[in-house]
Amino acid sequence: GAVVSQHPSRVICKSGTSVKIECRSLDFQATTMFWYRQFPKQSLMLMATSNEGSKATYEQGVEKDKFLINHASLTLSTLTVTSAHPEDSSFYICSASDRSLTYEQYFGPGTRLTVT
Amino acid sequence: AQTVTQSQPEMSVQEAETVTLSCTYDTSENNYYLFWYKQPPSRQMILVIRQEAYKQQNATENRFSVNFQKAAKSFSLKISDSQLGDTAMYFCAFMKRYGGATNKLIFGTGTLLAVQP
Repeated sequence: GAVVSQHPSRVICKSGTSVKIECRSLDFQATTMFWYRQFPKQSLMLMATSNEGSKATYEQGVEKDKFLINHASLTLSTLTVTSAHPEDSSFYICSASDRSLTYEQYFGPGTRLTVT
Repeated sequence: AQTVTQSQPEMSVQEAETVTLSCTYDTSENNYYLFWYKQPPSRQMILVIRQEAYKQQNATENRFSVNFQKAAKSFSLKISDSQLGDTAMYFCAFMKRYGGATNKLIFGTGTLLAVQP
């Protein structure tokens, strides 16, 4: 099956710094990638949808300038949390859609971000 | 707007028994997909089963089956012969069929299933 990787799996950063999370589709071309945020024992909250070569579409309430998303190629999307604060600590998950099977989303293993 | 409701925050089942997880949804769409995802303690999201709304036949994947009632907008998951490895959070999800490559998944709040030995 299709594989999506995320790097890093865990990251700890200091308040005020920026951190970048990578999401890669390893064996398929991902026309679209999605970024989710998940708090403990809660559901996945969609943050943004990113299409290769174009600007990401953010969900209502998600700060575009704080959560920068770049989808530079058909296999890579990045999420940068800028000027991180402790309230940004969360589990971030990406998923990717193959252009030939648009109803299928393949999920990455997630990244746990802790801001101290 | 579409919504997905899972009314059972937590459930417990004995190993080898059968359990049913409930899900209801609200939509004005006629063509869509419904999914059940499993999220074990590793937190990796795993697709359990998918149902296409235009298909009347309920989807089945080994020990997992669904009861899809389109008129009632109900989509329950039945797990037969429960195994310890089935312990996980289960999410019901909705996706429009013709949204293209930007199809969004809309998730329910999840049901935490514990399989007891």
